[in-house]
Amino acid sequence: DIQMTQSPSSLSASVGDRVTITCRASQSISNYLNWYQQKPGKAPNLLMYAASTLQSGVPSRFSGSGSGTDFTLTISSLQPEDFAIYFCQQTYRNPFTFGGGTKVELK
Amino acid sequence: QVTLKESGPALVKPTQTLTLTCTFSGFSLSTSGMRVSWLRQPPGKAPEWLARIDWDDGKFYSTSLKTRLTISKDTSKNQVVLKMTTMDPVDTATYYCARTNYLNNWAYFDYWGQGTLVTVSS
Repeated sequence: DIQMTQSPSSLSASVGDRVTITCRASQSISNYLNWYQQKPGKAPNLLMYAASTLQSGVPSRFSGSGSGTDFTLTISSLQPEDFAIYFCQQTYRNPFTFGGGTKVELK
Repeated sequence: QVTLKESGPALVKPTQTLTLTCTFSGFSLSTSGMRVSWLRQPPGKAPEWLARIDWDDGKFYSTSLKTRLTISKDTSKNQVVLKMTTMDPVDTATYYCARTNYLNNWAYFDYWGQGTLVTVSS
């Protein structure tokens, strides 16, 4: 199975900060990489697929980049509703696997 | 509007078989290209994909759990059923069903159910 590693596992930031989360795959996955946001007690919500394509309705302050094994999710200006856990997921090969998550907390 | 909802027991005993039902609306599993997956998420951990069933009855399973899982569909009822045998306390998790969409070759889970917490305990 392809292993996905996220860093950091948690971070503290303030409203308005620029935040970057990293995801690394154990082998090349081209750009078969999704990002999800999860809030407490809720299901994950798709933010982005194909590494950099925003899902409909997702604010443009979210952006993604990367290809191969290294990927980033950037929030250009953190908003109060963005405090959550973020997961990456590869869909290059079954089984589709997730990273361990990055918790974005209020500083 | 696409919705999915999981149902099943909240508590199962060790060694028992878990049966979960996903009832969905807004799409049909008889339509070419439609797929539904089951995932689970232990408390405080990342989601884990378990199984998927496709419109053409194709079935796919987690490598580590395939011997314990069976996925099936009832197209007339808009339901997908997951059975997991030999339940253990480590299987305690919130179980989700999610629509699995493909755009060209890119797959993603675009709609999820609310999840159902299953606790395994004697």
